[in-house]
Amino acid sequence: AQSVTQPDIHITVSEGASLELRCNYSYGATPYLFWYVQSPGQGLQLLLKYFSGDTLVQGIKGFEAEFKRSQSSFNLRKPSVHWSDAAEYFCAVGAYSGGGADGLTFGKGTHLIIQP
Amino acid sequence: DADVTQTPRNRITKTGKRIMLECSQTKGHDRMYWYRQDPGLGLRLIYYSFDVKDINKGEISDGYSVSRQAQAKFSLSLESAIPNQTALYFCATSDFGYEQFFGPGTRLTVL
Repeated sequence: AQSVTQPDIHITVSEGASLELRCNYSYGATPYLFWYVQSPGQGLQLLLKYFSGDTLVQGIKGFEAEFKRSQSSFNLRKPSVHWSDAAEYFCAVGAYSGGGADGLTFGKGTHLIIQP
Repeated sequence: DADVTQTPRNRITKTGKRIMLECSQTKGHDRMYWYRQDPGLGLRLIYYSFDVKDINKGEISDGYSVSRQAQAKFSLSLESAIPNQTALYFCATSDFGYEQFFGPGTRLTVL
């Protein structure tokens, strides 16, 4: 069975500083990987996804992530954070059978706090 | 209008009551999912459906049932609610099985 680990429960970053959120996955085949963001009281918004091809993927709001198969990682980065980036971030891996997606397995999330 | 809608958005109920959460989508997707979110646990898959005749259990299906009334509608039922089912519930859809699109969530409190 697949699994996702987000080692950092909370991260505090100063506004304007760079950000990296860690994600490690376990999956027996080629993974389909996602990063979602959840603002307080809101639903989930997709930031970016990796299916195949270029291992550095660009997403919305200036985020990017790099897939490293050798490290089973899919870390999320942003060069300069804004106060509006404060939110909960979830990494997820997709499991797929012949009929399609069996559903996503999520990490437990990383809560990002932005200091002025 | 939102592509994936959930009703109700908030619900408070008592232990032992039967509860139904509804999800509708206008995206034309075949695949629909129900997840629950608990603080510190992320989201966990309850049930998923590839079409109206195909229902599958997810990681935490005990205590829940679902009904796929049509391509666009997927309902989650708690036959006899218990307090540890207090959570935020999300419905999601996907096209051929890759990116999933989430509804706004239903906050359920079981007293």
